[in-house]
Amino acid sequence: DTEVTQTPKHLVMGMTNKKSLKCEQHMGHRAMYWYKQKAKKPPELMFVYSYEKLSINESVPSRFSPECPNSSLLNLHLHALQPEDSALYLCASSQDMAYEQYFGPGTRLTVT
Amino acid sequence: ILNVEQSPQSLHVQEGDSTNFTCSFPSSNFYALHWYRWETAKSPEALFVMTLNGDEKKKGRISATLNTKEGYSYLYIKGSQPEDSATYLCAFFASGGSYIPTFGRGTSLIVHP
Repeated sequence: DTEVTQTPKHLVMGMTNKKSLKCEQHMGHRAMYWYKQKAKKPPELMFVYSYEKLSINESVPSRFSPECPNSSLLNLHLHALQPEDSALYLCASSQDMAYEQYFGPGTRLTVT
Repeated sequence: ILNVEQSPQSLHVQEGDSTNFTCSFPSSNFYALHWYRWETAKSPEALFVMTLNGDEKKKGRISATLNTKEGYSYLYIKGSQPEDSATYLCAFFASGGSYIPTFGRGTSLIVHP
């Protein structure tokens, strides 16, 4: 199984809502990533977990809160988002840091 | 902030044409360079992981070269097909321990039948 799954595919939320994005892989990968991607721009790294520990947090606002409950699962908790947070959120995993990354299909988030 | 540039930004070619595009990155502190293909409505897919100066890798009609001393990598597609239409992204990894990927903006390739 070389698939990274993400749910939901689409999410529309108000600025006062709390929601979560979910990412799952069963390849035994030990690094998992969250990226934010806006149209015509490259993916921006938000968080990296390595061996279930938060390894990199690229100065992301606290309204985004990552969680890695186990080695296969990565969540991104969202609270009090702003309209400018509307974007495609991609999850990826890799065998270890700097190895080739396997990406999920992304969650298209719209904040109203 | 690391500067990773891809050129051209977009490219239109006819079926059967060969094409190439460039990823430029800092020539110091090189650790690895990845190439990804991102088709519309699909997930980005890894093409190549390149780590050594002078690396040349090939997958079918697609190949890539790496020059870490001058800070660039080329991606070549021989005999482009409509199914090659995608955005091609490169990701640069610097040495130093953190292994944070910095992505270029991508080259959007459209192959016309």
